[in-house]
Amino acid sequence: NAGVTQTPKFQVLKTGQSMTLQCAQDMNHEYMSWYRQDPGMGLRLIHYSVGAGITDQGEVPNGYNVSRSTTEDFPLRLLSAAPSQTSVYFCASRPRGDRTYEQYFGPGTRLTVT
Amino acid sequence: QQPVQSPQAVILREGEDAVINCSSSKALYSVHWYRQKHGEAPVFLMILLKGGEQKGHEKISASFNEKKQQSSLYLTASQLSYSGTYFCGTEINYGGATNKLIFGTGTLLAVQP
Repeated sequence: NAGVTQTPKFQVLKTGQSMTLQCAQDMNHEYMSWYRQDPGMGLRLIHYSVGAGITDQGEVPNGYNVSRSTTEDFPLRLLSAAPSQTSVYFCASRPRGDRTYEQYFGPGTRLTVT
Repeated sequence: QQPVQSPQAVILREGEDAVINCSSSKALYSVHWYRQKHGEAPVFLMILLKGGEQKGHEKISASFNEKKQQSSLYLTASQLSYSGTYFCGTEINYGGATNKLIFGTGTLLAVQP
């Protein structure tokens, strides 16, 4: 299993540009999430999904869109990039069940907006 | 909703012990603990469910006080490999598991020889 994969690893955008961060997992996990990590702020939840076709907002959703058309993929779209979105983005997944399970993180995408 | 972690940073010598605390203002269903090395993704350590259980992982253990909505991570006889940033993640108690896992701001742990 490849686990959770993210592309690209690094990206530089100009203010106002749009792009999509890709995330895929091959573990058949129903739960998937996107986090951003900034110095001193920890991991902040952007959007999350409990299954294909179902998404919800996390703590910091503004400026980001998600969709979940398949169990495997959970792309994150930046609509109009701003310097405040410079961050490291982590995608994560875990199984859904009658109890809570550990979360598996992807390697991250480092995004710089100039 | 973000849980509060303390201390923000701690420096230890090899062999010393440390405690990291995680506190929430909401009733919790579970607490997760992860460790992140510089430039890497967070890695799972353990999960504690409501019920006051304590779990262990090598020389790292944790407790969860459901009534106080607090969890503590105990690192015993620290090793150089324990260095990193520790995060607690909390799931609010809506009656079962959800996918809304909210993390604290992290505790930077540095173990020196």
